This record gives sequence, C-alpha cells and structure tokens, in this order.
Amino acid sequence: GESVGLHLPTLSVQEGDNSIINCAYSNSASDYFIWYKQESGKGPQFIIDIRSNMDKRQGQRVTVLLNKTVKHLSLQIAATQPGDSAVYFCAEKSGNQFYFGTGTSLTVIP
Amino acid sequence: KAGVTQTPRYLIKTRGQQVTLSCSPISGHRSVSWYQQTPGQGLQFLFEYFSETQRNKGNFPGRFSGRQFSNSRSEMNVSTLELGDSALYLCASSYRGGLAGYEQYFGPGTRLTVT
Repeated sequence: GESVGLHLPTLSVQEGDNSIINCAYSNSASDYFIWYKQESGKGPQFIIDIRSNMDKRQGQRVTVLLNKTVKHLSLQIAATQPGDSAVYFCAEKSGNQFYFGTGTSLTVIP
Repeated sequence: KAGVTQTPRYLIKTRGQQVTLSCSPISGHRSVSWYQQTPGQGLQFLFEYFSETQRNKGNFPGRFSGRQFSNSRSEMNVSTLELGDSALYLCASSYRGGLAGYEQYFGPGTRLTVT
C-alpha cells in the first residue's frame, strides 16, 4: 500500500517567522501532490499542489518543493500568522487514488 | 455559493448498529468522495460517486457502502459498526471528479463515535 508520512507531528513557530512542514512519500510513481490545511472543526482546505514534472511551485505566502530523488515534499509558509495555526497534511496521487499523511500540527506563537 | 454540508455533525452509536451519513455537495458538483479520518491513519479514501455511479473505491470492507442520488446528494452507510469505525467521516465534492486538489471541496465532517 501507499505510505505518506510527516517527519514532525507538531511544529511551533513565532509569528512572522517562516514555517517549513515536511512530508515523505513512498511511491515513486505518484504524479501529483497536494498540501491541505485543516482547522479545528473544519474539513481540509486545499492550499497548493504540484505535479511531478515540477520541483517548485509558489502561491501566496506558500511554496511547495518536491524532491523526487528522495521522495520528499515540503511546504514553506512565509511570515507565518496566527491564522495559519492548523493541521497541515500532504497527499499524493497514484493512479486514481489519493493517499494522505497523518498531519503536522502547526502552532503560531504571537 | 453554499459549501458542502454534512449531517449529522456528531453521532454516537453502539457496536453492531448501522449508521447512515449524508452529504450535500456544492450546487452543480456531480462528484462526491467519502473519506475516513483517524489520528493514526490520517485520511483514507472510501469511495467516489459521479452521476449516481460509484467510480472509484478504496480498500474498505463491504460494511461500508454508499450511494448517490439524482440531485448529487450522497449517503454512506456503515453496517455492523465496530469500535474501530470511530472516526471523522468527510465528504468532498467537485464538478468533474477529485483528481485535482483545487477542484475538491471538503465538508466539515461527521464525527462518529462507536461505543
């Protein structure tokens, strides 16, 4: 089966600092990756995605990096704000299915 | 535009019972996918319905089933509940199918507790 895992279950950062959340995936054939944000009591919310033919993609305050050599995905959040506090998890698509990580809880310290 | 709604939001059932959860997708969306979310396993794909037909299915036992109605609303049913079925059940809707993350919108989930 697929295995998508996160290196750290929790992360605390000071407001204004940059955050980096990591994710390892196991299937080298996965061709599409997504980062989600999930706030307490809510469903996951799409943040950013990247296809396997890219190694970097930028959005508003977020950047996703993909290293296919070591099967590693990271999410960088610039100038982290209190509203960024949530659980973040990655997902990989293999075939017609998505496989999700368990999540990293990000806490922003004011 | 109203988001994805799920009912009920919370549910407590006893082992051996069965349960039906409901999901109303965003207006115009034809695809509904169901997921189980637990702390240890994260999100796991259950199945996807598109225009009333099951299009994809995850690796869950036959106790988990679903259906989709002509108005795209979907229900999932779990029979003979087990303690391990306690989880947050999420549905997500999209217009054409959940293969693009930005096109998929999740509901708030139904928290099922099996005692």
